[in-house]
Amino acid sequence: AQSVTQPDIHITVSEGASLELRCNYSYGATPYLFWYVQSPGQGLQLLLKYFSGDTLVQGIKGFEAEFKRSQSSFNLRKPSVHWSDAAEYFCAVGGLSGSARQLTFGSGTQLTVLP
Amino acid sequence: NAGVTQTPKFRVLKTGQSMTLLCAQDMNHEYMYWYRQDPGMGLRLIHYSVGEGTTAKGEVPDGYNVSRLKKQNFLLGLESAAPSQTSVYFCASIALGEAFFGQGTRLTVV
Repeated sequence: AQSVTQPDIHITVSEGASLELRCNYSYGATPYLFWYVQSPGQGLQLLLKYFSGDTLVQGIKGFEAEFKRSQSSFNLRKPSVHWSDAAEYFCAVGGLSGSARQLTFGSGTQLTVLP
Repeated sequence: NAGVTQTPKFRVLKTGQSMTLLCAQDMNHEYMYWYRQDPGMGLRLIHYSVGEGTTAKGEVPDGYNVSRLKKQNFLLGLESAAPSQTSVYFCASIALGEAFFGQGTRLTVV
């Protein structure tokens, strides 16, 4: 069965500092990987996705993520955090075939940005 | 483009009452999903559908039923609501592995 682990429940960073949110996955084949962001009271917005090819993917709002197959990781990074980045971030793994036609989400990482 | 629309946005139910949540998508996607979101638990899959007339159980299906009579609509039903079903419910349609979410339904069962 596929699964996602986000080991950090809550992260606090200062505005302008760099950010890395961790994500580890378990999946039987080459995964499709995603990062979503959720602001309070809102739905989920896709930040970026990895399907294949270049293991470093760029997303919206200056975010990027790197797929590392050997470590089963897909960590999200941003060089300089803005106050508006405060939100909850979810990593997800999915696929296209059989029971993998579904997305499995991690439990989320809440990001607080200090002024 | 509306994308994925959920109705209602908010609802309060008494224990034992029933209700139906509606999800509508205008992207002609085959796959549709219902998730519930609870603090510290991320999104958990309730039921999903891979096409009109098909449904399947997800991770937490007990107490819920679904129907997909039309491709664009995916209904989630609670026959006898319980306080444990207090949650935020999200519908999503998925194409090529990417999910498009509705804005959510906040349900409180008292």
